[in-house]
Parts: sequence; C-alpha cells; structure tokens
Amino acid sequence: EMQLVESGGGLVKPGGSLRVSCTASGFSFSSSNMNWVRQVPGKGLEWVASISTWSRWAYYADSVKGRFTVSRDNAKNSLFLQMNSLSAGDSAVYYCARDASTTSAHLDLWGQGVLVTVSS
Amino acid sequence: QVVLTQSPSASASLGASVRLTCTLNNEYNTYAIAWHQQRPQKGPRFLMKVNSDGSHDKGDAVPYRFSGSSSGAVRFLTISSLQPDDEGDYYCQTWAAGIQVFGPGTSVTVL
Repeated sequence: EMQLVESGGGLVKPGGSLRVSCTASGFSFSSSNMNWVRQVPGKGLEWVASISTWSRWAYYADSVKGRFTVSRDNAKNSLFLQMNSLSAGDSAVYYCARDASTTSAHLDLWGQGVLVTVSS
Repeated sequence: QVVLTQSPSASASLGASVRLTCTLNNEYNTYAIAWHQQRPQKGPRFLMKVNSDGSHDKGDAVPYRFSGSSSGAVRFLTISSLQPDDEGDYYCQTWAAGIQVFGPGTSVTVL
C-alpha cells in the first residue's frame, strides 16, 4: 500500500524552529517530486514548497521563502521541512503530497498531516 | 499567474446529483486540474485529474459516481447518487513550473 506518514509536529514558540518529516512507503520515492501543503484549521489548502526527485530544484511559496527549507533523503524514503523564524501565521496542519509523475504534477497521494502550533 | 475560482458551497438531496465547478483564468484555459476531496477532520484525498478536453483519470478506488468534464476554462466534478460520506470540502488544484495552486474549495452538504 502506498503511504505517506508525517511526523515531528508540535508546539513551538514564536521565533523558534521545527523540522517536520514525511516517510514514504509502497512506491518508488526517489522517482517522485514531492510537496508540502499546509492548512490552517477551518481554512483552505496552501502550497508551501516542492522539491524534485534528486533535489535538483526546490520552489517555495512567497509566504515562507527564506524561512523554510525543503529537503529529502532518498536512501531513507524521507522528505523534510525545516521551518525557522516561525510565527503564529505558520500554525497549521502540514501535509506532504506526491506529484503523480514528473510530467504531470497533480498531487495524487497525501499524508494524514501533522499539526504545528506556534504560540508562546 | 494561474487563479482557480470555486463556489463556496453546494448542496443536494441524498441520492441526487451535484456538479461542482472550477474556473481557470482565461489565459490558462488549456490547463488540466485535479480534484481532491476532504472529509471533515480528515486529510485530502485525490479524486481525479481532468484535462481540457474533458477526459479524466481517476485515483484508486474512486467510486464510479464521481466523474469529471470540461468546457472552455471550466472544469467540472459531478457526484451522482449522493451519499452521506460525500459531505466535505472539494478542492481543485493545478500546477505550473514547480508551483502548485489550489482553489478556495467548495463545501458540499448532503440534505
């Protein structure tokens, strides 16, 4: 069964840092471009970042550029999001999601999400 | 840049049909989109990709009651024989140059 499982969420103080992870199973992780998408409870989906199969490129939403870094470890089937200089506006559920293919970037597999709360 | 527009809400009776719309801004009217379902308190689930010619590719185990179509800059998701489990939010999504774009979502209520 293809699966994405996020971990590492929690409560962090404003200005702090946190790294969330996503572990993939059941498919060829190294062949898939990957994404982070977040959702403030009760609000819509917001794309955060994407990374190519072998980390050749990465793109970020303007709202997180310069503060967040996406990375991956294909040997461990893992995707990461390092979040620095966090503020209350970054509080959300963070989902990892897979591009369907390298030629069609619709998202076809989602994790269950991990909650990040930024509060003093 | 590409913008996706969706109606905030839709409703229909149990067993009836509902058609959701996702509109691309005009210069992007050849783009494909994807539909995602999000049931209350759950993560999103991929339903299907809808191409500009109306063809669609469903995700695994998506019921036959869900179908996609297209007309100009509008992409549709039709849910037939509505079931209580179909309640939730439905998002359309497209992509360009490594960036993902989501519509604001439509909340579906089964009456």
